[in-house]
Amino acid sequence: GESVGLHLPTLSVQEGDNSIINCAYSNSASDYFIWYKQESGKGPQFIIDIRSNMDKRQGQRVTVLLNKTVKHLSLQIAATQPGDSAVYFCAGYNFNKFYFGSGTKLNVKP
Amino acid sequence: NAGVTQTPKFQVLKTGQSMTLQCAQDMNHNSMYWYRQDPGMGLRLIYYSASEGTTDKGEVPNGYNVSRLNKREFSLRLESAAPSQTSVYFCASSHLLTGGNTIYFGEGSWLTVV
Repeated sequence: GESVGLHLPTLSVQEGDNSIINCAYSNSASDYFIWYKQESGKGPQFIIDIRSNMDKRQGQRVTVLLNKTVKHLSLQIAATQPGDSAVYFCAGYNFNKFYFGSGTKLNVKP
Repeated sequence: NAGVTQTPKFQVLKTGQSMTLQCAQDMNHNSMYWYRQDPGMGLRLIYYSASEGTTDKGEVPNGYNVSRLNKREFSLRLESAAPSQTSVYFCASSHLLTGGNTIYFGEGSWLTVV
């Protein structure tokens, strides 16, 4: 089966610093990955995705890196802001299903 | 732009009661999903429907049933609620069966079974 996880439970960063959130996956057949942000009391919101034939993708203030050799994903948030405080999940797609990790809580200190 | 809408937002049930969570999407997506989220844990797939007329079990299907009523709607039913089913439930949808298409979530349904 698929598992996606190995998140740190909580990451605290200073406002303005860069944040790096990591995720590992177990199934090398996963061909698509997504990062989600979940604020308290809300559903997960899409941040950025990456296909398995890529190793990097950039969005607005966010970059996702994929290392297929070690089955590892990371989400980099530049110039972290208080509004970035949330739980971040990675998800892998395989066999018609998305598999989610347990999440990393990002705390942004003013 | 509604996206994925699920109801109710909050529900308290007594053990043994039944209820149905409703979900509808207006994005013309083929695939729909029901997840549960427990404290400190990620989203676990209960059931999914890859296309209208099909449903399949996910990781934690026991105690639940689903119905893909039409392309827009996918309901989740608890026939005899148990305290272990206290959780936040999320409905989601995505466009195609194959990967490479973002999955969109509803705002969640908070269910407490006492």
